[in-house]
Amino acid sequence: KAGVTQTPRYLIKTRGQQVTLSCSPISGHRSVSWYQQTPGQGLQFLFEYFSETQRNKGNFPGRFSGRQFSNSRSEMNVSTLELGDSALYLCASSLARTRPSSYNEQFFGPGTRLTVL
Amino acid sequence: GENVEQHPSTLSVQEGDSAVIKCTYSDSASNYFPWYKQELGKGPQLIIDIRSNVGEKKDQRIAVTLNKTAKHFSLHITETQPEDSAVYFCAPANFGNEKLTFGTGTRLTIIP
Repeated sequence: KAGVTQTPRYLIKTRGQQVTLSCSPISGHRSVSWYQQTPGQGLQFLFEYFSETQRNKGNFPGRFSGRQFSNSRSEMNVSTLELGDSALYLCASSLARTRPSSYNEQFFGPGTRLTVL
Repeated sequence: GENVEQHPSTLSVQEGDSAVIKCTYSDSASNYFPWYKQELGKGPQLIIDIRSNVGEKKDQRIAVTLNKTAKHFSLHITETQPEDSAVYFCAPANFGNEKLTFGTGTRLTIIP
């Protein structure tokens, strides 16, 4: 079974530009979550999508947005890039079982390394 | 929100010795306690997890123990090997909630 794939793997942008990152979840997984990883702030939750709807959101400004398509693939967009947006952006997918007694193992992709100059 | 602290931030262990990493959390509603391992250039990978109705779980050289009263859980690695060198994260969560609140990470180095 193929793992979570993210494209592109590396990206260089300048301040003020916008960027779109893509994530393809494991086949059959319906939930996709996005995380930002930086040396200073660590791993921080951005948002989660399930059945094309944003189900959960972290504490990031509105410049960060995302969407999910009917095939569960997801994209995240960052507008008006700032130097502080330089980070590794990780995508994770899970089956998202709805039974309350179950847990949802998250499978992470390798990430997209974004550098803002 | 959940506050998660992890100690130590760095840990160097002689090959073959044991390593212990502790995670303290604040949200008493947390009922799922995973540990992730992140190697260079890769995303985090789940290595072991435990639910709140279980005090300990073991998988070969790796074990997790939970003290729900004190709100902390620990990762234990025995007979450490060079391939155990990585950054380890705890990430307490709730069932059915995909949001993981990660700890600050522990860089484990195994000295040959």
